[in-house]
Amino acid sequence: DAGVTQSPTHLIKTRGQHVTLRCSPISGHKSVSWYQQVLGQGPQFIFQYYEKEERGRGNFPDRFSARQFPNYSSELNVNALLLGDSALYLCASSFGTGPYGYTFGSGTRLTVV
Amino acid sequence: RKEVEQDPGPFNVPEGATVAFNCTYSNSASQSFFWYRQDCRKEPKLLMSVYSSGNEDGRFTAQLNRASQYISLLIRDSKLSDSATYLCVVNLPNDYKLSFGAGTTVTVRA
Repeated sequence: DAGVTQSPTHLIKTRGQHVTLRCSPISGHKSVSWYQQVLGQGPQFIFQYYEKEERGRGNFPDRFSARQFPNYSSELNVNALLLGDSALYLCASSFGTGPYGYTFGSGTRLTVV
Repeated sequence: RKEVEQDPGPFNVPEGATVAFNCTYSNSASQSFFWYRQDCRKEPKLLMSVYSSGNEDGRFTAQLNRASQYISLLIRDSKLSDSATYLCVVNLPNDYKLSFGAGTTVTVRA
């Protein structure tokens, strides 16, 4: 069975540009969560989507947005990139919205130059 | 104050040794607790949930102390493959997010 898949695996962008990151959850999982992990820190919660609705939002600026599609895949969009947005972006899928049964994808490593 | 705080380490131990470390959490209403393992430049993976009475999974033992608001992880008979960063994770009731600590790095040497 396929796990959580994220694309692309690596990305280099210039300040001010826009980026779209993609995530496909495990089959049967209806919830997708996005986390940002800056080097040397733990992952920080950005969004959770369940059944195509936003269920939670972390303390991130409005430059960050996301959506979930009918097939439960998800996109994370970041506008007006800053150097500080350089990080590993992790997608996690789970069946429900609770804290159990999370599986993380291998992440997208974004570098902003 | 950070929601979850961990000693960053590194803990550098020989094979076969026992290593233990703690994490503290700030919100006394926290309800669910976990240890995740993260290898270098990889994704976090669930190591074990932490239950109120404490629990073991092979060589790993987790304890929860609600009164003092800390969680511990003990690794017995350390293996080279235990070298990783261990992330302490807590969750509030009806909250959608997992709150991660910054991690404790463990290096097991031959």
